[in-house]
Amino acid sequence: EPEVTQTPSHQVTQMGQEVILRCVPISNHLYFYWYRQILGQKVEFLVSFYNNEISEKSEIFDDQFSVERPDGSNFTLKIRSTKLEDSAMYFCASSVSSGPRGSEAFFGQGTRLTVV
Amino acid sequence: AQKVTQAQTEISVVEKEDVTLDCVYETRDTTYYLFWYKQPPSGELVFLIRRNSFDEQNEISGRYSWNFQKSTSSFNFTITASQVVDSAVYFCALSDSSSGGYQKVTFGIGTKLQVIP
Repeated sequence: EPEVTQTPSHQVTQMGQEVILRCVPISNHLYFYWYRQILGQKVEFLVSFYNNEISEKSEIFDDQFSVERPDGSNFTLKIRSTKLEDSAMYFCASSVSSGPRGSEAFFGQGTRLTVV
Repeated sequence: AQKVTQAQTEISVVEKEDVTLDCVYETRDTTYYLFWYKQPPSGELVFLIRRNSFDEQNEISGRYSWNFQKSTSSFNFTITASQVVDSAVYFCALSDSSSGGYQKVTFGIGTKLQVIP
C-alpha cells in the first residue's frame, strides 16, 4: 500500500542550526502538507503546498520556515535557525485533492525534532 | 472560525467493552469535512475516516462506527468490543473553507484511549 515516508525518524540539532526534514509523498498526490505536534499537545497545521507554491500557511509558519519540492518526489521543510520551542514531531501529509473527493490527508510516520 | 472539541481527554475501558469517543465541532460553513485519525504509541497518524457535511449516513467499518449528527454538530466514534490494540490517542478533525480552501485541517486535542486486558 502506498505511504508517505519521512526521514529521518528522529533528529537532534543544536539551537540556532538549520535543519531540513524530508518527505516523500504518495506518488499520485498533488497536495502536500506539514503539521507539527508538540509533545502531548494537538496536531497543528503549518503549511500546504500545491503546484509548486504555498497555498495556505498558519501563523506558526513564520520566516524561519520554508518548504520546497526540489524534485518530482521529495517535499522538504527547512527551519533556518532552530529554537528550543521548535522541538516537536513534524508530520508530512499528502492528498489527491483538496476538494470534495480525495481530500483525506495521509500522514507519514513523523520526524521527531529535538532542539538542544 | 473552526473549532473541534474532544471533551474526553482520557478514557480507560476493559477489553471487550464498547467505548464511544465524543467530538463536537463548530463551523460557519455548510460544506465541510470531518475526520478521525488514530495515533498509536509509535507516534504515526493513521487515517480512519472522512465525512463530508452532506452525508449524514452513519458508517460502520468492522468494529468501528461513526455517528454524524448535524443537528448537534457531533461526529462521535464508537469502538465495539475493544481490544488492547485499540489503545491510542484518537483525534477528531475538521476542514472547511474558512481559510480560503479545504486544505487546512484543524485537530481536536485528542482522546487517549487505554484498553485494559
